[in-house]
Amino acid sequence: DADVTQTPRNRITKTGKRIMLECSQTKGHDRMYWYRQDPGLGLRLIYYSFDVKDINKGEISDGYSVSRQAQAKFSLSLESAIPNQTALYFCATSDSRSGSSTDTQYFGPGTRLTVL
Amino acid sequence: GEDVEQSLFLSVREGDSSVINCTYTDSSSTYLYWYKQEPGAGLQLLTYIFSNMDMKQDQRLTVLLNKKDKHLSLRIADTQTGDSAIYFCAESIGSSASKIIFGSGTRLSIRP
Repeated sequence: DADVTQTPRNRITKTGKRIMLECSQTKGHDRMYWYRQDPGLGLRLIYYSFDVKDINKGEISDGYSVSRQAQAKFSLSLESAIPNQTALYFCATSDSRSGSSTDTQYFGPGTRLTVL
Repeated sequence: GEDVEQSLFLSVREGDSSVINCTYTDSSSTYLYWYKQEPGAGLQLLTYIFSNMDMKQDQRLTVLLNKKDKHLSLRIADTQTGDSAIYFCAESIGSSASKIIFGSGTRLSIRP
């Protein structure tokens, strides 16, 4: 969905490096999410944010941190990357404020991260 | 705990119907979704169903929900090569739908 963009799209890094993945949205949604996708495991939630000042851990937050710089921006950081963080990372947004909200999440195109 | 399960693979002949099945554990789900992921792309919402509905039809797609058995299915009529993708079942949980739980995805491949 072109309304949710992620940068970079691909990144190769080395063990121990600090990495930041960025997500921006023009949908005006209040909620944003970070997931990682691994083959055969589906999507697992890393962190989610309901508002600029409301950030919550997901099921696999260890080794990750996030920052909600503005309603439209939500970045994910790996403080010291390790090989088992090699995965496809997706940002998503949803709108809780619309009267017709169906809690649908809209996804960015993904960032493929490889940690050597 | 919350869990959504799907089979990993499905192979169907072009022109036949595809049926992708999903089971979930949380009975408080508000919405259930089907997402499609094409190679190299993010997930796109295909369709959703509200938990008090049994069926929803949208062109070639039919969603059936059996709330008693916590079973959701997606039927794609007249399957075409462009339907090749990974299909994810998902449920929203919690009164404020604070989380969506995804299944592991079913890879649909189309045989000529």
